[in-house]
Amino acid sequence: SAVISQKPSRDICQRGTSLTIQCQVDSQVTMMFWYRQQPGQSLTLIATANQGSEATYESGFVIDKFPISRPNLTFSTLTVSNMSPEDSSIYLCSVETRKSSYEQYFGPGTRLTVT
Amino acid sequence: QKEVEQNSGPLSVPEGAIASLNCTYSDRGSQSFFWYRQYSGKSPELIMFIYSNGDKEDGRFTAQLNKASQYVSLLIRDSQPSDSATYLCAVLMFSGGYNKLIFGAGTRLAVHP
Repeated sequence: SAVISQKPSRDICQRGTSLTIQCQVDSQVTMMFWYRQQPGQSLTLIATANQGSEATYESGFVIDKFPISRPNLTFSTLTVSNMSPEDSSIYLCSVETRKSSYEQYFGPGTRLTVT
Repeated sequence: QKEVEQNSGPLSVPEGAIASLNCTYSDRGSQSFFWYRQYSGKSPELIMFIYSNGDKEDGRFTAQLNKASQYVSLLIRDSQPSDSATYLCAVLMFSGGYNKLIFGAGTRLAVHP
């Protein structure tokens, strides 16, 4: 499996500000994904980030709020814009490998608290 | 109807017993199914995937798939306290031009000595 790192691992931010989360992979991957996991809940897909094209957002998530960059095959960023306390969550990136069955591997996550 | 359903638990089993975790899904066209383990405060870790009907074994873990019943399960034999975690079922669905994983809410497993 790929080795995935995320920065920052956690942050406490003021409402109205923005935070950019970085995701770095140790090998080239085509598909990267961004998820949100709110306290005590399961994972919700925010968007799919495919290198060389615009990110594809899921229902309920918009580019103005969660802009994503995917400049190459090993790196992606997710920005959480104009934050409110409701954005407090864990944000996870994942990468898809296609060795056999499209399995995804997750980074360690970024724990965001908005005050 | 939720796309992927799991009993939230907690499922409590004694050490050494078999833990049985169940998951149902709504999309009959789904082909690939995944089980992730998530310890508290950690990110999900892939432990099994299955795409053919029947059983797939890996060490103490067995995944079972029944596409006709739209049902997938995970058995953990000889359960250990270190198996205590939340187990997430995920189903691969094709939507919007991409394959994407849809996760269930997770089942919390507690293995007591």
